[in-house]
Amino acid sequence: AQRVTQPEKLLSVFKGAPVELKCNYSYSGSPELFWYVQYSRQRLQLLLRHISRESIKGFTADLNKGETSFHLKKPFAQEEDSAMYYCALGPSGSARQLTFGSGTQLTVLP
Amino acid sequence: DTAVSQTPKYLVTQMGNDKSIKCEQNLGHDTMYWYKQDSKKFLKIMFSYNNKELIINETVPNRFSPKSPDKAHLNLHINSLELGDSAVYFCASSQSGKSQYFGPGTRLTVL
Repeated sequence: AQRVTQPEKLLSVFKGAPVELKCNYSYSGSPELFWYVQYSRQRLQLLLRHISRESIKGFTADLNKGETSFHLKKPFAQEEDSAMYYCALGPSGSARQLTFGSGTQLTVLP
Repeated sequence: DTAVSQTPKYLVTQMGNDKSIKCEQNLGHDTMYWYKQDSKKFLKIMFSYNNKELIINETVPNRFSPKSPDKAHLNLHINSLELGDSAVYFCASSQSGKSQYFGPGTRLTVL
């Protein structure tokens, strides 16, 4: 069974501070990991996909297979980063059956 | 140029009623999904259709019935609505297992 754990339901940081949103996964095969972001009352948007190794809006995430983690990081948080962040897991090469974590609500304080 | 659209955006109805939510995507994707986001923001897959065929059917009450008239549409019909059905329902689409694109959501309130 595949499982995604986001241990922090709420996370607050001050503007300009570094931020790390934790994500751990459990999957027996070769996983593909994603981060989605949902701004207040808006649709979910894809933020990052681990295979593309991009940096979007200053966010990065590295897949650590040894620790089964895919933490999302940003060195300097901005107020507009305040949103709900979801980590998601799917079988490699397929996003058809994504399992989402429970989400972390990030609040960046002025 | 909306990629994934849903109607209605808000739906308020009485218990016991039957309602439908429509979803359309103009991305040419071959797979569409329905998700339920509860009051605690937990997001759970309900159904997935690939080329109009059901490929994922998670444990949801059979009062929920998806209908895919063509690859660009996946509608959700709900019979005998219950209080616990109140949630935000998101439609999404993807192509050949690539990243999923979400609709704006339909906020359903059952009174």
